[in-house]
Amino acid sequence: NAGVTQTPKFQVLKTGQSMTLQCAQDMNHNSMYWYRQDPGMGLRLIYYSASEGTTDKGEVPNGYNVSRLNKREFSLRLESAAPSQTSVYFCASSEAFPAFSYNEQFFGPGTRLTVL
Amino acid sequence: DAKTTQPNSMESNEEEPVHLPCNHSTISGTDYIHWYRQLPSQGPEYVIHGLTSNVNNRMASLAIAEDRKSSTLILHRATLRDAAVYYCIPSAGNTPLVFGKGTRLSVIA
Repeated sequence: NAGVTQTPKFQVLKTGQSMTLQCAQDMNHNSMYWYRQDPGMGLRLIYYSASEGTTDKGEVPNGYNVSRLNKREFSLRLESAAPSQTSVYFCASSEAFPAFSYNEQFFGPGTRLTVL
Repeated sequence: DAKTTQPNSMESNEEEPVHLPCNHSTISGTDYIHWYRQLPSQGPEYVIHGLTSNVNNRMASLAIAEDRKSSTLILHRATLRDAAVYYCIPSAGNTPLVFGKGTRLSVIA
């Protein structure tokens, strides 16, 4: 039982390049989330998927797109990377949406992205 | 979302109790109070949650004020492994969790 896995762990991009961050969970959770964390800051929600087939914008969606590929997988795409998107990206999942009551959120280990 | 106020940082000696305060004076009656922590270079992890009554689990205790405008996370015996950023999160019940800056806890051996 791996929980939430993210690939890659590290990535360096040049301005304007595109890439996709992958996230998968093996807990049969319905809801999945993408957050970013800048140095010294808390996590900010980029996008979330309450259930398979749905996605919604969070606090900071500009410059990103997401795909809920199936119940297990939720990817985050940067179409044209910018230095301001240098951050650590965390994927999370919870059994149901929203993450209230005892529906705790489980987080992956993060992807450290640097955009030059 | 309810606004929260937490100290930026706190320090504790190893094997002593730690009380991490959180003020959430605008919390609504149906908001749960969640605590998560983030160890260095890791994703956040769940610690504890509660609604009105004090709660205990294997990691910590949560003391909730009678008016629910504040709460305190209690680590009974801090270890070096407890050094982390602790987030207090009132949840609205219809939105994903919102993480503030939290309290950075340092544990001194």
